[in-house]
Amino acid sequence: DTGVSQDPRHKITKRGQNVTFRCDPISEHNRLYWYRQTLGQGPEFLTYFQNEAQLEKSRLLSDRFSAERPKGSFSTLEIQRTEQGDSAMYLCASSLLTDGAGYTFGSGTRLTVV
Amino acid sequence: KQEVTQIPAALSVPEGENLVLNCSFTDSAIYNLQWFRQDPGKGLTSLLLIQSSQREQTSGRLNASLDKSSGRSTLYIAASQPGDSATYLCAVRLGTGNQFYFGTGTSLTVIP
Repeated sequence: DTGVSQDPRHKITKRGQNVTFRCDPISEHNRLYWYRQTLGQGPEFLTYFQNEAQLEKSRLLSDRFSAERPKGSFSTLEIQRTEQGDSAMYLCASSLLTDGAGYTFGSGTRLTVV
Repeated sequence: KQEVTQIPAALSVPEGENLVLNCSFTDSAIYNLQWFRQDPGKGLTSLLLIQSSQREQTSGRLNASLDKSSGRSTLYIAASQPGDSATYLCAVRLGTGNQFYFGTGTSLTVIP
C-alpha cells in the first residue's frame, strides 16, 4: 500500500469519552501532519512531526489533545474528555523531508461527539 | 498569518465547458502552492503542486498557474466532465514553517 492510511474511518462517541485515532504515513515520508476540518471549511493545521519529534503545535491543539509518533512511523492523535465542538474530520498527511515536497493526505477519520 | 480566499464558493457548469477556479493569498512569500480535490466525506487528493519559482503546472486536463507578486493562483479545467464534480481546495505553504494554509474551497458541479 503506497497511500496514507487512517483508522478508524468513522467514530461516534459520547461527550466526555476519550478517543484515539491512528495514521500510517507513506513509509518513506519523514514528515507527518494532523489537520482538522469542519463542515464547509478548509482543513486547519493541528500539529507536525519530523520523524519522531513533534516540531509544531497549533493553538487549536488544546491540552485535551495529544499526538505521538513513536519511532517515527505511525502516529496517534488522542482527544480526552471529548466535547461536541470536537466533531470534525481529522486528516493526516505525510510528505518527504525534501524541501518543496507536497502533501499526501489520508481519507480522514470522521468524529461525531453526541 | 496567511489568509487564503477561493472564489467562487460554488460553481455549476454544463458538461464540456472550460472553467477557472481562483485562489488568492495575502502573504506573497510563499514556498509552494498545492491544489487538492475533495469528494464529499472523503480525504484530499493532490492535483498539482507549484513551487514558488514556477509559473504553472499541467496534468492532463488541469493547468494551475501561480503569480506570486499578485498573490494569485488559478486552476483551469478543460472540457469538464461530471466526474470532476467535487470541492477544490487551494493550499499555500509559507517560506517559514511547515504547515499549509487552506482556503475554504470551491464546490464544483458539472451537469451532464
